[in-house]
Amino acid sequence: QKEVEQNSGPLSVPEGAIASLNCTYSDRGSQSFFWYRQYSGKSPELIMFIYSNGDKEDGRFTAQLNKASQYVSLLIRDSQPSDSATYLCAVMGTGGFKTIFGAGTRLFVKA
Amino acid sequence: DTGVSQDPRHKITKRGQNVTFRCDPISEHNRLYWYRQTLGQGPEFLTYFQNEAQLEKSRLLSDRFSAERPKGSFSTLEIQRTEQGDSAMYLCASSRTGIEQFFGPGTRLTVL
Repeated sequence: QKEVEQNSGPLSVPEGAIASLNCTYSDRGSQSFFWYRQYSGKSPELIMFIYSNGDKEDGRFTAQLNKASQYVSLLIRDSQPSDSATYLCAVMGTGGFKTIFGAGTRLFVKA
Repeated sequence: DTGVSQDPRHKITKRGQNVTFRCDPISEHNRLYWYRQTLGQGPEFLTYFQNEAQLEKSRLLSDRFSAERPKGSFSTLEIQRTEQGDSAMYLCASSRTGIEQFFGPGTRLTVL
């Protein structure tokens, strides 16, 4: 079992729709959870981080965490073609140093 | 540009050669990370420095890979006796808080 699992996609949504990206992790001791966006040929950039169970909203992005189910999700509302990228889920363990990334989900937003 | 910089951006080498990459973090970021990323995969953690101390490292760094961060500023990653399987993008990231990691542009290594 991979430590952080994501559907590779591609996930295709029409412009203006909600894109839902999901991630599961195996280490129950994980403390911090991140979503990074990576455009083709570029480096990852942080979109959201979440520590506590529940929802965290930032603009069009909402991160959701359920530690009991070991599940993290990212919702992108009013998806735009510029949101087309690979979205990486990342988890940091109790040590606070090592960050484990999932393989990423490719998102395509059709105009 | 005050972001994370990496040098070189591209490196082509022959199998068996040693290579060294450099990372200059954002000024005042005391945390520095090295990752390796291959096509279709997420970044794979290699090692972490807090100031000059290497506090965590992947099992990969116990063999042909080594990293240093003298004086807690720039960092170098060396791969000895390169193999074709080492071909990848090597990413460096820095952080002030340990929350947001700022990634550099990466060094793309091709081993022939």
